Amino acid sequence: DIQLTQSPSSLSASVGDRVTITCRASQSISSYLNWYHHKPGKAPKLLIYAASSLQSGVPSRFSGSGSGTDFTLTISSLQPEDFATYYCQQSYSTSWTFGQGTKVEI
Amino acid sequence: EVQLLESGGGLVQPGGSLRLSCAASGFTFSSYAMSWVRQAPGKGLEWVSVTSGSGAATYYADSVRGRFTISRDNSKNTLYLQMNSLRGEDTAVYHCAKDVKALRVRGAWADVWGQGTTVTVSS
Repeated sequence: DIQLTQSPSSLSASVGDRVTITCRASQSISSYLNWYHHKPGKAPKLLIYAASSLQSGVPSRFSGSGSGTDFTLTISSLQPEDFATYYCQQSYSTSWTFGQGTKVEI
Repeated sequence: EVQLLESGGGLVQPGGSLRLSCAASGFTFSSYAMSWVRQAPGKGLEWVSVTSGSGAATYYADSVRGRFTISRDNSKNTLYLQMNSLRGEDTAVYHCAKDVKALRVRGAWADVWGQGTTVTVSS
């Protein structure tokens, strides 16, 4: 299975901060990397697909980059509703795998 | 509005069985692959299984293969997960998710998710 390692596992930030989360794959996955965020008791929400494409309806403060094995999710100016856990997910293989998550908290 | 609503969770003893359902609305259900993804307490998301839009193709995570069966009834717009031989490590919130393609192919993603149903395996 393809392993995804996110860093950091958690971070503390303030409203207005620029936040960067990285995701490293155990092998090259081209651009087959997606990002979601998840709040407790809620449905996960797709933010970025194919490494850098913004999902419809997602604010432009979210952006993604990378290819091969190294990927980045950036939030340009953190908003109160962005405090959540963020996951990367690879779709290079039929069996999807997720990173372990990055919890963004105040 | 595109919506997914899971049901069927509950408390079950180790070795027992449970069937989860996911009712879909707001899109052409048969045109999309559908997945189950779970989150154990204190853990991250784990993909469990996927079925193609027609139901003809299915894939499973190693952790559930041989114990869980995914299926769908396109006439009822409903996805199912039959879970047998349940273990403590199957305790989790189970989410259903809509793929963006009819088949599980390289480069897909899940664009709509449900809030989940909770399964607890304990004696």
